[in-house]
Amino acid sequence: GDSVTQMEGPVTLSEEACLTINCTYTATGYPSLFWYVQYPGEGLQLLLKATKADDKGSNKGFEATYRKETTSFHLEKGSVQVSDSAVYFCALGGTGGGNKLTFGTGTQLKVEL
Amino acid sequence: NAGVMQNPRHLVRRRGQEARLRCSPMKGHSHVYWYRQLPEEGLKFMVYLQKENIIDESGMPKERFSAEFPKEGPSILRIQQVVRGDSAAYFCASSPYSGGDRETQYFGPGTRLLVL
Repeated sequence: GDSVTQMEGPVTLSEEACLTINCTYTATGYPSLFWYVQYPGEGLQLLLKATKADDKGSNKGFEATYRKETTSFHLEKGSVQVSDSAVYFCALGGTGGGNKLTFGTGTQLKVEL
Repeated sequence: NAGVMQNPRHLVRRRGQEARLRCSPMKGHSHVYWYRQLPEEGLKFMVYLQKENIIDESGMPKERFSAEFPKEGPSILRIQQVVRGDSAAYFCASSPYSGGDRETQYFGPGTRLLVL
């Protein structure tokens, strides 16, 4: 079945450091890939998505590229801020819409001054 | 355009009681999904519904849990005879039926259930 593997956290960085959170997946067919962010006590917010191979999703300085050959969708940001501290979830969804999302276990990011 | 709404935000129940969680999807969205997040874990799919139909309930526990999405009103996740292991955050998400955004699910703030 479908699965998502994320690097374990917590990840602790200093402000303005570079961020990479690894995500790899196993899926049949050609899923869409997503990154969601969860701030303490809140629901999940869509951060970015990519729907086909070689697509790059980007938002708020975060980027991720859909790599079919390595089945990966790593999240990157060149310079993190304290306000980026949150839990980040990688997820995959079925093609054609209307399908469940399969989530990774989440990676907690802490950014310090 | 209001987002996905869930209520209550926090719910406390004693073992053996019933819990009812409500979800109103975003305007124009006809697909609703329920997920459960146990402490320190990711989200696990429970059920996917369209109006008056359960499409996929492969993630629902076989007993005590049920879900509905009536023609009028919010979607309801119902847990009968709650046990301590049901304590978790329950998230609802919605997506549109068609269009370029149909694969994207938008999440509500969640209901945090605590069973004493």
